[in-house]
Amino acid sequence: DVKVTQSSRYLVKRTGEKVFLECVQDMDHENMFWYRQDPGLGLRLIYFSYDVKMKEKGDIPEGYSVSREKKERFSLILESASTNQTSMYLCASSFPQGGSNQPQHFGDGTRLSIL
Amino acid sequence: AQSVTQLGSHVSVSEGALVLLRCNYSSSVPPYLFWYVQYPNQGLQLLLKYTSAATLVKGINGFEAEFKKSETSFHLTKPSAHMSDAAEYFCAVSELSGGSYIPTFGRGTSLIVHP
Repeated sequence: DVKVTQSSRYLVKRTGEKVFLECVQDMDHENMFWYRQDPGLGLRLIYFSYDVKMKEKGDIPEGYSVSREKKERFSLILESASTNQTSMYLCASSFPQGGSNQPQHFGDGTRLSIL
Repeated sequence: AQSVTQLGSHVSVSEGALVLLRCNYSSSVPPYLFWYVQYPNQGLQLLLKYTSAATLVKGINGFEAEFKKSETSFHLTKPSAHMSDAAEYFCAVSELSGGSYIPTFGRGTSLIVHP
């Protein structure tokens, strides 16, 4: 089975801190994604990456950056954490879809609280 | 741009009753369609996906979904609800955009199952 592992299940940080959320997948997937999940808003795409050192902005990239130095690892960075970034963060990975119908595989999420 | 609408943020059924979760999408080309389930404090798991081989798709845990192109719908059903089906359900549409398949998620429907 595909395993997507997020480094922390719960995290509490203070306003203004630089925060790193780590995600590792073990199935050699090219595509990796970061979402935030808020009640009533579903999943919103922050950034995605389709290859090492490649990144693309999603729908809500403001206040975030990402890093993908190795294929299996995709990091989300909150440059200066603010209270409105308190949320559940989900990492996902998938094969490139090309002509096929590849689903995403998700980690269990990191619940981040900014105080 | 594609969009996904899930009618009803909450659906409540009795154990043993029919489950119907609605999903409508907007897409100018035949999309890739998915249903995911999220149990409390977990990430999303794939329930089923549309493959174009058949309009009626069977998934895990007794769920199935029917693709209706004329109605741009992909509703999820289960003949008899079980208490363990209580969870959040997400419909997702994936469409080619700039060389990558990027999923768009609905806002989710919370299924409540009463004894």
